[in-house]
Amino acid sequence: DVKVTQSSRYLVKRTGEKVFLECVQDMDHENMFWYRQDPGLGLRLIYFSYDVKMKEKGDIPEGYSVSREKKERFSLILESASTNQTSMYLCASSLYGGRRGEQYFGPGTRLTVT
Amino acid sequence: DQQVKQNSPSLSVQEGRISILNCDYTNSMFDYFLWYKKYPAEGPTFLISISSIKDKNEDGRFTVFLNKSAKHLSLHIVPSQPGDSAVYFCAELLMDSNYQLIWGAGTKLIIKP
Repeated sequence: DVKVTQSSRYLVKRTGEKVFLECVQDMDHENMFWYRQDPGLGLRLIYFSYDVKMKEKGDIPEGYSVSREKKERFSLILESASTNQTSMYLCASSLYGGRRGEQYFGPGTRLTVT
Repeated sequence: DQQVKQNSPSLSVQEGRISILNCDYTNSMFDYFLWYKKYPAEGPTFLISISSIKDKNEDGRFTVFLNKSAKHLSLHIVPSQPGDSAVYFCAELLMDSNYQLIWGAGTKLIIKP
């Protein structure tokens, strides 16, 4: 079974703090993704990576950066957290060339910025 | 601009009846559509998919129908069970964009006992 783990389930941070969200997958997947989920907006892609040290901006990259130093780990960084970044953050991985493009998700991190 | 739309934010269905969730898309060329199910405080999990060369795919109680001329797909759940209460997302696979998924906004399905 594919397992995707995220470092925290719930996180509360103050405005202006630097925030690190970690994601680890154990299935040797090439692709990894960071999404945020907000009510009525579905899943919006922040960044994705298709290889170590490679990254591509998604639909809403502003205010975020990412790091992928090892194949199994993909980190999302909020350089200076703001209240509009309060959201559910979801990490996913997939096999490059996987026929259906199926993505496997972690349990999510509920981030609250006060 | 490729879009995937789920126009019903929520749907309430009696237990044992059929649930029908709908999804519209704009892209004429696609390879796969996927349906995901999400419970609160959990990540989405894959449910069922359909390729562009089919018009129907069935897996147990779940069937997805594709109408290419109308650019519409639907997920049927028969019979609906209380454990089916969740948010359902449809997503379009972009094979030529590093296998990104384009997501709909989701439909919250509530199964009434």
